[in-house]
Amino acid sequence: DAEITQSPRHKITETGRQVTLACHQTWNHNNMFWYRQDLGHGLRLIHYSYGVHDTNKGEVSDGYSVSRSNTEDLPLTLESAASSQTSVYFCASRGELAGDNEQFFGPGTRLTVL
Amino acid sequence: KQEVTQIPAALSVPEGENLVLNCSFTDSAIYNLQWFRQDPGKGLTSLLLIQSSQREQTSGRLNASLDKSSGRSTLYIAASQPGDSATYLCAVIPGGFSGGYNKLIFGAGTRLAVHP
Repeated sequence: DAEITQSPRHKITETGRQVTLACHQTWNHNNMFWYRQDLGHGLRLIHYSYGVHDTNKGEVSDGYSVSRSNTEDLPLTLESAASSQTSVYFCASRGELAGDNEQFFGPGTRLTVL
Repeated sequence: KQEVTQIPAALSVPEGENLVLNCSFTDSAIYNLQWFRQDPGKGLTSLLLIQSSQREQTSGRLNASLDKSSGRSTLYIAASQPGDSATYLCAVIPGGFSGGYNKLIFGAGTRLAVHP
């Protein structure tokens, strides 16, 4: 079965360190998304990609970057982790055509920045 | 700008009740509408997807309806069980039939508790 996976599931890091969260999907979807979820803010879009070598900023992109070198993966990098980036991060993917436009989410990565 | 609202924010019911969760959106030009479930500390699970051209979708005890003209969707849960306790999120992709590349816009969710 097709799926979307994230790793690690839990991460503790220190302020100032670079951190990369992995996202891998086997749906062969062109569209991939990164969200963060915090109490009181719901889901907020960080970055998204509509295909290989395409990346776009979401509503809370400062301090984050993504790159898309293939269809399956969209890693999220925190350039210099800050305590404000402690959150749960979700990756998602979706097709863009009718019949393939259901959005699926990964299980999440809980990141703590000390 | 599309906005999605879910009412009520929280709901507590005894086991066995049939219940309705409401979702409203401000712009009727949507590409699709999706209902998700999120358990505490877990990811989002897709429950039902309604395409713009559809009026409803059913899966087991769940039925979701869509009325674009009034900007509303309802999620009906029949014979609720304690295992249904979770947060239910409604989300729309705006943009009508050309919305395939647009982003999901989420409601804040309804927190449901079903007690034995």
